[in-house]
Amino acid sequence: ETGVTQSPTHLIKTRGQQVTLRCSSQSGHNTVSWYQQALGQGPQFIFQYYREEENGRGNFPPRFSGLQFPNYSSELNVNALELDDSALYLCASRRGQAVPYEQYFGPGTRLTVT
Amino acid sequence: SQQGEEDPQALSIQEGENATMNCSYKTSINNLQWYRQNSGRGLVHLILIRSNEREKHSGRLRVTLDTSKKSSSLLITASRAADTASYFCATGGSNDYKLSFGAGTTVTVRA
Repeated sequence: ETGVTQSPTHLIKTRGQQVTLRCSSQSGHNTVSWYQQALGQGPQFIFQYYREEENGRGNFPPRFSGLQFPNYSSELNVNALELDDSALYLCASRRGQAVPYEQYFGPGTRLTVT
Repeated sequence: SQQGEEDPQALSIQEGENATMNCSYKTSINNLQWYRQNSGRGLVHLILIRSNEREKHSGRLRVTLDTSKKSSSLLITASRAADTASYFCATGGSNDYKLSFGAGTTVTVRA
C-alpha cells in the first residue's frame, strides 16, 4: 500500500458529460501528478500540482483541469468527455520538487465513456 | 508520445527462471525508474538508477543502465508466480516535473 487513495474506483459516463476524480495524497506529500493510462499503454503525464498551483502540464487539452487543496488532496476534472477519454486515471504523490524522485501511485480510477 | 520503449512486449517463463526485459529511450535523462503494475491497478516503484550509475540491485532485481546506448535492462532472478505483472520503465530529466513511461512488458510466470 502506498498510502495514496483514489475515488471512485470505477465510473461510467456518457460522451459530452463532465467528470471529477479525486485523490488523497500520502501524508506529508505536497506534490501530486495525474496520469492517463489507455488500455495496453503506459501512463501519460497530464499535469502536476505543487502547493496548490499547477506547475507542469503534458500534452492534454484545457478541458482537462485540476485542483489541489490545502490538505494536498487533489481533483482531476474532465469536461466534454470523448470516447478516447476512456482510460485508467492514476494520481501519484511525492514530497517536494527535488529530482530525482520516486512517485507513489494510487490504485486508479477506471473511466469508461460511452 | 512515449519516451521509453520496452522489449519484449510480453514474456512467459517458468517459475524459478530469470526474466529479462529491456528499455530504450530517446533523450538524455537524469534518472530511470522501473515500476510494476498488477492487473491494471496502481503502479509500484521498484528501483531508481541515476544517470551516473551503471548497475543497481534490490533483492531479486538487477537494473543496468547504458547511457551511451540510451538503454536499460531489468532482470528478475528466480521468478515467482507473484511476479506476474506488467513492468514499465520511466525516465526523468534534470528539470523534469514528470516521468515519461514506456508501453511496458507483460510478464507471466507459470507455476
